Amino acid sequence: IAGITQAPTSQILAAGRRMTLRCTQDMRHNAMYWYRQDLGLGLRLIHYSNTAGTTGKGEVPDGYSVSRANTDDFPLTLASAVPSQTSVYFCASSLGGSYNEQFFGPGTRLTVL
Amino acid sequence: AQKVTQAQTEISVVEKEDVTLDCVYETRDTTYYLFWYKQPPSGELVFLIRRNSFDEQNEISGRYSWNFQKSTSSFNFTITASQVVDSAVYFCALSEPQFIQGAQKLVFGQGTRLTINP
Repeated sequence: IAGITQAPTSQILAAGRRMTLRCTQDMRHNAMYWYRQDLGLGLRLIHYSNTAGTTGKGEVPDGYSVSRANTDDFPLTLASAVPSQTSVYFCASSLGGSYNEQFFGPGTRLTVL
Repeated sequence: AQKVTQAQTEISVVEKEDVTLDCVYETRDTTYYLFWYKQPPSGELVFLIRRNSFDEQNEISGRYSWNFQKSTSSFNFTITASQVVDSAVYFCALSEPQFIQGAQKLVFGQGTRLTINP
């Protein structure tokens, strides 16, 4: 069982380019999340999905979009990357609800030049 | 608004010393959940513990222990007889109880980088 996989592991991207970060989970969790991790700021929620077909905005959604066509996949798209989107991106999933812990993927390190 | 503060940005100790990582939170909710996660050098976040707001009993798991005090809004984490493998970034997080049905919003602290020197 892989848990959560993310691709790519790292990427260098020119500003203005479009980029999709992939996330797949095999735990049949209903809820999925995208975070960005920046030094000194901890992790901040970008978007979430509480079930397939439904998504919502987190704390820092601007410049990002997500989709949830099925239970397993939750891609994050940067339509036109900017240098401030340089960060480490983590995908996570959970059974849902406030009580259950989230399981995290290995992260994608993105550099926008 | 909910907030989690980990005032210690970096801690460095010698192996076998005890070390405490502080976590202070702010919330207006009476029901909430607190979490600790570990991020080793490999980068992946690993769940350590969860505590709900109605359970103030301290928890011990091997060399790890957690002290939850509602009176001071703190949820501190102590490692006894630290080891080099404990070197990591540790995050404290607070869960909003009524974010949206079926999902959870975790508010993370800034993290504490713990280095255990041999």
